[in-house]
Amino acid sequence: KNEVEQSPQNLTAQEGEFITINCSYSVGISALHWLQQHPGGGIVSLFMLSSGKKKHGRLIATINIQEKHSSLHITASHPRDSAVYICAVRSLGKSTFGDGTTLTVKP
Amino acid sequence: EAQVTQNPRYLITVTGKKLTVTCSQNMNHEYMSWYRQDPGLGLRQIYYSMNVEVTDKGDVPEGYKVSRKEKRNFPLILESPSPNQTSLYFCASSFLYRGRDNQPQHFGDGTRLSIL
Repeated sequence: KNEVEQSPQNLTAQEGEFITINCSYSVGISALHWLQQHPGGGIVSLFMLSSGKKKHGRLIATINIQEKHSSLHITASHPRDSAVYICAVRSLGKSTFGDGTTLTVKP
Repeated sequence: EAQVTQNPRYLITVTGKKLTVTCSQNMNHEYMSWYRQDPGLGLRQIYYSMNVEVTDKGDVPEGYKVSRKEKRNFPLILESPSPNQTSLYFCASSFLYRGRDNQPQHFGDGTRLSIL
């Protein structure tokens, strides 16, 4: 079993829909990151969380440390949100990644 | 402009020919790390460095070497590359807060290596 589990693996939505991607982890962490990777490969850090909730534009990320679970929400999804979203946990210098969620938003 | 710069971006080479992928950051970050990304396996950490002269193994260090002689540079060395090291490689860096790695990472654009 992976230390970091993401779901769903693939997600197709219509433009405007509310999206949720989940991440569960089984190890102690310093922080949890949500990353975005567009086709073509570049990786962008969306959020870094060690507790609570963060919001940036239409993106919201939450973490529950006790339950070892995080969610990434996208409100009013748009085709430009189509990308792979990756959950990563960090502790003592080590990083462990989920397998990623491929999101496709159709117009 | 704050950035992590990797070179080369693309390289095709042959088995056994030593190569170095350079990584440089201009943000005065303490922490730097190398990752490889493979279809079906996702991102995996190769080596990381918490500061100058401090390096440690990630999950897949076999066949790689690193050094951290200066804060800004963290080269990845493949002494004798093999086809199973064909991959997409990313370098990343971040600040440490009170010695903890809980700050956002900045990623380079990636280096696509093909080893024949």
